[in-house]
Amino acid sequence: AQSVTQLDSQVPVFEEAPVELRCNYSSSVSVYLFWYVQYPNQGLQLLLKYLSGSTLVKGINGFEAEFNKSQTSFHLRKPSVHISDTAEYFCAVSDSSQGGSEKLVFGKGTKLTVNP
Amino acid sequence: AAGVIQSPRHLIKEKRETATLKCYPIPRHDTVYWYQQGPGQDPQFLISFYEKMQSDKGSIPDRFSAQQFSDYHSELNMSSLELGDSALYFCASSLTGGNTIYFGEGSWLTVV
Repeated sequence: AQSVTQLDSQVPVFEEAPVELRCNYSSSVSVYLFWYVQYPNQGLQLLLKYLSGSTLVKGINGFEAEFNKSQTSFHLRKPSVHISDTAEYFCAVSDSSQGGSEKLVFGKGTKLTVNP
Repeated sequence: AAGVIQSPRHLIKEKRETATLKCYPIPRHDTVYWYQQGPGQDPQFLISFYEKMQSDKGSIPDRFSAQQFSDYHSELNMSSLELGDSALYFCASSLTGGNTIYFGEGSWLTVV
């Protein structure tokens, strides 16, 4: 079974500041890793994903994440945030050993608030 | 591009009533998932279907049932509703080997 820990439940930052949202996972099998964003009263939108290959993955809206196997981490970063980035961010993991179509296990989420 | 379609988007039911949520996956996707997200909570996996057969089961109450039909759409049936069932219900779909799960906008269920 997999589990995901998002170390910060809330992260307040000022506009144009850099931000890092932390995610650690636990799994006995190989995994795929994902970050989803949820804007207020909306659905889940895929930001980026790590399947294999380069450990640095770039996503939409200027976000990127780095997979670190030794530290079992997949932290999300953005060098300069905007007010519009205010949202809840979920890290998720799925079992890659089955070739895909495995359910996602989510972390508890990190609420990012960007202040002017 | 077509996305996962869920209906209704909002639903208000009284305790002990029954509710049915529908999900239309992305065309050609063969796997459907249902998730429940309570207020301020992370999405919890309920159940999934692959090629119309149940493929995995999570924390779905016995009062809930789901199925996937021949056209690949899925329905989540919830009976004897309780106040605690008030949540955002997500449907998601994927294509075997596609590695990525795509979510619908969700259906808001309020039980009063």
